[in-house]
Amino acid sequence: GAGVSQSPSNKVTEKGKDVELRCDPISGHTALYWYRQSLGQGLEFLIYFQGNSAPDKSGLPSDRFSAERTGGSVSTLTIQRTQQEDSAVYLCASSYWTSGYNEQFFGPGTRLTVL
Amino acid sequence: AQSVTQLGSHVSVSEGALVLLRCNYSSSVPPYLFWYVQYPNQGLQLLLKYTTGATLVKGINGFEAEFKKSETSFHLTKPSAHMSDAAEYFCAVTPSGYSTLTFGKGTMLLVSP
Repeated sequence: GAGVSQSPSNKVTEKGKDVELRCDPISGHTALYWYRQSLGQGLEFLIYFQGNSAPDKSGLPSDRFSAERTGGSVSTLTIQRTQQEDSAVYLCASSYWTSGYNEQFFGPGTRLTVL
Repeated sequence: AQSVTQLGSHVSVSEGALVLLRCNYSSSVPPYLFWYVQYPNQGLQLLLKYTTGATLVKGINGFEAEFKKSETSFHLTKPSAHMSDAAEYFCAVTPSGYSTLTFGKGTMLLVSP
């Protein structure tokens, strides 16, 4: 596709349920990032994948959050036992790895609502 | 560690007036600086960036920003606001081209006729 795509666009779930959010990066992009955008908190980094390197998980807020990237392409962010404070827009971005600056291209996000 | 402060969660201007959105950063190394715009229910779009070289950078839609190292600032300006500029604007910093972005909390720009 022409840009980063994310699915679903909206997700409503009940507290305690698990959810999976999907990101399809731009073809050929080797780096993939997940951010969370919540009211009052702005945009927060969650996790970063680059090629075959171990992911940078330093932004994950708790062990209920995990992510994987299969085949160096599609990524899934999983939130287990969702809590109301997990309600936010989850944004995915990808970039191409070259020397110098690598622009991150963002998807439209998944709006998660935990009831 | 990096941080970004955007002054004013909301800025209101009249159509045709000057737009000034403020951004101050802290960084332990020479930073890469960015402004992103987010329209309702859309992802982030890069407006402009400063990496190296000229400190006055021009972006899309008539926006520009100036990197002032002595003031640790990267304010966004546009000489004449248009109704279509109404959106949320985010300033971001990264210590290198390979790192994740640290964002400010955003400034909502409101444009009135």
